[in-house]
Amino acid sequence: NAGVMQNPRHLVRRRGQEARLRCSPMKGHSHVYWYRQLPEEGLKFMVYLQKENIIDESGMPKERFSAEFPKEGPSILRIQQVVRGDSAAYFCASSPRSGTGSDTQYFGPGTRLTVL
Amino acid sequence: DAKTTQPPSMDCAEGRAANLPCNHSTISGNEYVYWYRQIHSQGPQYIIHGLKNNETNEMASLIITEDRKSSTLILPHATLRDTAVYYCIVRVGSNYQLIWGAGTKLIIKP
Repeated sequence: NAGVMQNPRHLVRRRGQEARLRCSPMKGHSHVYWYRQLPEEGLKFMVYLQKENIIDESGMPKERFSAEFPKEGPSILRIQQVVRGDSAAYFCASSPRSGTGSDTQYFGPGTRLTVL
Repeated sequence: DAKTTQPPSMDCAEGRAANLPCNHSTISGNEYVYWYRQIHSQGPQYIIHGLKNNETNEMASLIITEDRKSSTLILPHATLRDTAVYYCIVRVGSNYQLIWGAGTKLIIKP
């Protein structure tokens, strides 16, 4: 069974450029979550999506960040006009149902974004 | 804010059982206890979770006290590859957000 896949694994951008991070959930999973991890810190929730719907984006910065999970294809986390403070590891998780209760979230390997 | 308290670091000898404690004294009746680990900045790996009863799987055992205010993750025969940061997370049944604390850095020594 393929796990959660993320690409690219490493991404380097200059300030002002755009970053696109992709996440393919586990087979049979239709719920996707994005988390961000700054160096030496725990993960912080950003956004929760189902196919074609954003359920909760309360953890996402109001500007420059957006996420989507189209009917076909991977979930995309998009960061426009990146700044040095966006440098972090971005993890995607997926679950088969709502991710509540005993519904477990499984994580991908992450994308490490470095902004020069 | 994280609702759990874990020691910042622990050592364990290879081949011995590693017992990682977690305090969650404010846990509510519908909150699950989850354990994940993160090996050297890789993606978090799910280990085990429970509500009230003790649980065991191929990776570990989870012992939850009767009052549910604390729990212990047990790795029965630790290997060097178990060196990682271990996170104890309590999650409300109706909530999907995982709130991560600082975790316990477990170092397995040969």
